[in-house]
Amino acid sequence: AQSVTQLGSHVSVSEGALVLLRCNYSSSVPPYLFWYVQYPNQGLQLLLKYTSAATLVKGINGFEAEFKKSETSFHLTKPSAHMSDAAEYFCAVTPSGNTGKLIFGQGTTLQVKP
Amino acid sequence: GAVVSQHPSRVICKSGTSVKIECRSLDFQATTMFWYRQFPKQSLMLMATSNEGSKATYEQGVEKDKFLINHASLTLSTLTVTSAHPEDSSFYICSARKRANEQFFGPGTRLTVL
Repeated sequence: AQSVTQLGSHVSVSEGALVLLRCNYSSSVPPYLFWYVQYPNQGLQLLLKYTSAATLVKGINGFEAEFKKSETSFHLTKPSAHMSDAAEYFCAVTPSGNTGKLIFGQGTTLQVKP
Repeated sequence: GAVVSQHPSRVICKSGTSVKIECRSLDFQATTMFWYRQFPKQSLMLMATSNEGSKATYEQGVEKDKFLINHASLTLSTLTVTSAHPEDSSFYICSARKRANEQFFGPGTRLTVL
């Protein structure tokens, strides 16, 4: 069965610092992987997705993630944090060929300090 | 674009009443929609997959008689929480599948049962 583990429920960085949010997946088949952002009391917005094309995926708002099969990881990074990046981030997986069901990680709260 | 709306955005009801939540894809047709539940500070849990013109598929542990789903058209799915109780209080989020492995999320509905 597919699963996703996000290491660190809470990450705090200073404005301008590197953002690194960790995600490891478990899948017996090549997965599709996603990062979503959620602002308070709102739905989810897609940041980026990996669908077996390029392993380095660029998303919106300066975020990117690299699919590393050997490490079963899909970590999210941003070179320079902005105050507006403070939110909840979810990594999700869906196995290829699936009907689209998403399995979410536990979420990581990103705090950005001025 | 791909916009998904939910109505209402928040609802407060008395214990024992039923509440209907609507999910609409505004600018695309969605044969499949998903319903999620999110408790405070937690991740999204898939409740059911809503398929246009057929019965919904519920995840293990979700009471289908408690959470009635109707996908009457290609742009509308409804979730009815029947005989709501305080433990049903939660944030309910829907998503609509536009194409393979691409979902768009609604803004969520905050349900509070007194």
